[in-house]
Amino acid sequence: QSVLTQPPSVSGAPGQRVTISCTGSSSNIGAGYDVHWYQQLPGTAPKLLIYGNSNRPSGVPDRFSGSKSGTSASLAITGLQAEDEADYYCQSYDSSLSGSVVFGTGTKVTVL
Amino acid sequence: EVQLVESGGGLVQPGGSLRLSCAASGFTFSSYWMSWVRQAPGKGLEWVANIKQDGSEKYYVDSVKGRFTISRDNAKNSLYLQMNSLRAEDTAVYYCASLIPLVLYFQHWGQGTLVTVSS
Repeated sequence: QSVLTQPPSVSGAPGQRVTISCTGSSSNIGAGYDVHWYQQLPGTAPKLLIYGNSNRPSGVPDRFSGSKSGTSASLAITGLQAEDEADYYCQSYDSSLSGSVVFGTGTKVTVL
Repeated sequence: EVQLVESGGGLVQPGGSLRLSCAASGFTFSSYWMSWVRQAPGKGLEWVANIKQDGSEKYYVDSVKGRFTISRDNAKNSLYLQMNSLRAEDTAVYYCASLIPLVLYFQHWGQGTLVTVSS
């Protein structure tokens, strides 16, 4: 059972900006634990997109950005492209669950 | 180039056992925490287990405690997941991933191996 809540889907036209929210609680995001984001293209393994709330690994376009505030985090995609159509997951740590890494519920991004 | 290659998946009956393997290359395996993450068909990601570099610490999601065992062989650059008393709800693609400690994110992922628990 996911403790991080994301919208099931978001969509946008090419070139537009979309944002994905990740809502947690005082035992995970609100406790100060970092939030990370993964992109999962259809039929493939997840790939690290953002780490430490707002850092991009080498090779990830700067169209992707992350932020965190309070008990929530957000992923923004600017200049949406067809190849961005994928599932996106946030991830953090929850202190109420022993050793527990937790994922968000996932968001499907559709490029119209 | 970092590579994580899982193997060992397949069809198993409820109550049965399976051992997954993950062969690592392209990085210093013994320096990394490692993890297993699974994804049921059409569902989201679920963390399963973590293991420290030397195997001295292991953590599991509650639903697999007492049934699954994570282990590693640093000499063989390999990670394992022994799965016993399998249930239908364990059906999923199982990914191995390298875990960055303290910050706790999964840096590299394998391609996954499918485990199907069905009679």
